[in-house]
Amino acid sequence: DAGITQSPRHKVTETGTPVTLRCHQTENHRYMYWYRQDPGHGLRLIHYSYGVKDTDKGEVSDGYSVSRSKTEDFLLTLESATSSQTSVYFCAITGSSAFSGANVLTFGAGSRLTVL
Amino acid sequence: ILNVEQSPQSLHVQEGDSTNFTCSFPSSNFYALHWYRWETAKSPEALFVMTLNGDEKKKGRISATLNTKEGYSYLYIKGSQPEDSATYLCALAASGGGATNKLIFGTGTLLAVQP
Repeated sequence: DAGITQSPRHKVTETGTPVTLRCHQTENHRYMYWYRQDPGHGLRLIHYSYGVKDTDKGEVSDGYSVSRSKTEDFLLTLESATSSQTSVYFCAITGSSAFSGANVLTFGAGSRLTVL
Repeated sequence: ILNVEQSPQSLHVQEGDSTNFTCSFPSSNFYALHWYRWETAKSPEALFVMTLNGDEKKKGRISATLNTKEGYSYLYIKGSQPEDSATYLCALAASGGGATNKLIFGTGTLLAVQP
């Protein structure tokens, strides 16, 4: 998916355990995003990053933290997973060669997390 | 909190039918409107980005229009084919977001095209 890799793709964990999802890009893009997708809610922004060590909250950031120590990696951490965090998580970067000059999102393949 | 609404939620059409759906958004704070196509088991892919009132974009049999004054965008598919079956998402980029591109997504319209 256009140089974006998410890992793991699937994970089942128990309530209270920490979970880290990784997003790796090879496009050298400055902006990276984490979204979650739930039925009836569409895609909702959790956190985003506008550079190494520069991050900010999205609309549903409670219970999540992020880190970006390198341009290519953006980590999403659930410090203590809850069942309400069962979801599909999508990483995205800004930029697409088909939309020169426009800041469209290019998405990773998604990570399905189940919290029991 | 800005709200982006899409209608209908789902649509079932026959192959060859033309169809359209709506994305509504607050007309204040408008910066750009995106359309994405999301096939099952894949990732969303950008179709169009529109910024100017009256914009019309076209990609094959799919086209979109934008009215920023009244806060809506239409997506049209002419002569639907089974391969058009997907969820179509619109997303609003509000002014003040600048290059951060924090998009607010609608919940999507699920299109199913029967052969």
